[in-house]
Amino acid sequence: QQQVKQSPQSLIVQKGGISIINCAYENTAFDYFPWYQQFPGKGPALLIAIRPDVSEKKEGRFTISFNKSAKQFSLHIMDSQPGDSATYFCAASQRGGLTFGEGTQLTVNP
Amino acid sequence: NAGVMQNPRHLVRRRGQEARLRCSPMKGHSHVYWYRQLPEEGLKFMVYLQKENIIDESGMPKERFSAEFPKEGPSILRIQQVVRGDSAAYFCASSLLRDIVGGEQFFGPGTRLTVL
Repeated sequence: QQQVKQSPQSLIVQKGGISIINCAYENTAFDYFPWYQQFPGKGPALLIAIRPDVSEKKEGRFTISFNKSAKQFSLHIMDSQPGDSATYFCAASQRGGLTFGEGTQLTVNP
Repeated sequence: NAGVMQNPRHLVRRRGQEARLRCSPMKGHSHVYWYRQLPEEGLKFMVYLQKENIIDESGMPKERFSAEFPKEGPSILRIQQVVRGDSAAYFCASSLLRDIVGGEQFFGPGTRLTVL
């Protein structure tokens, strides 16, 4: 019930391409869905977050799409850059501790 | 504007020793969360604290681990009698509120614990 499943585990994209990472959750009580970016040796950094009453949120090159009925949400990175190469984590919470997905290692080739 | 601060950044302990990890939340934040990241794995929630209160410790191992967030000073995660399996990166996060708005969690740089 508390799991968040994330795919793919790794992703290779060419510079300028679109990176898409998907997550699915089980607990319908979750009401907050953030995405974090983590570089090696660093702490996770909040990228963008969405609430379940919104189907899409865009901030710069990052967009979250949310499908409440399917219990799925995804991160789209437009015009991917080599500097976006990092590990991305989706998460969900019910106003407390975050339940994280397993992570996606994104590599953007120049 | 200082972010979440954690110290030490690296900690080496021998089996059986105690590890104390400190976390100072962002200024004005009174909600603190601890997470553990094992090598090549995702982050796992451990405990959620407010000043002087443990709100949710559902992710804490039942033995050897404890956490506190006193009225004054940083939050402390304490691991007694460490074992090799405790080797991991421990991250602290803080938030201004518990609500969706203002409840965004900001992470510190982590403490990397190595147990010899």
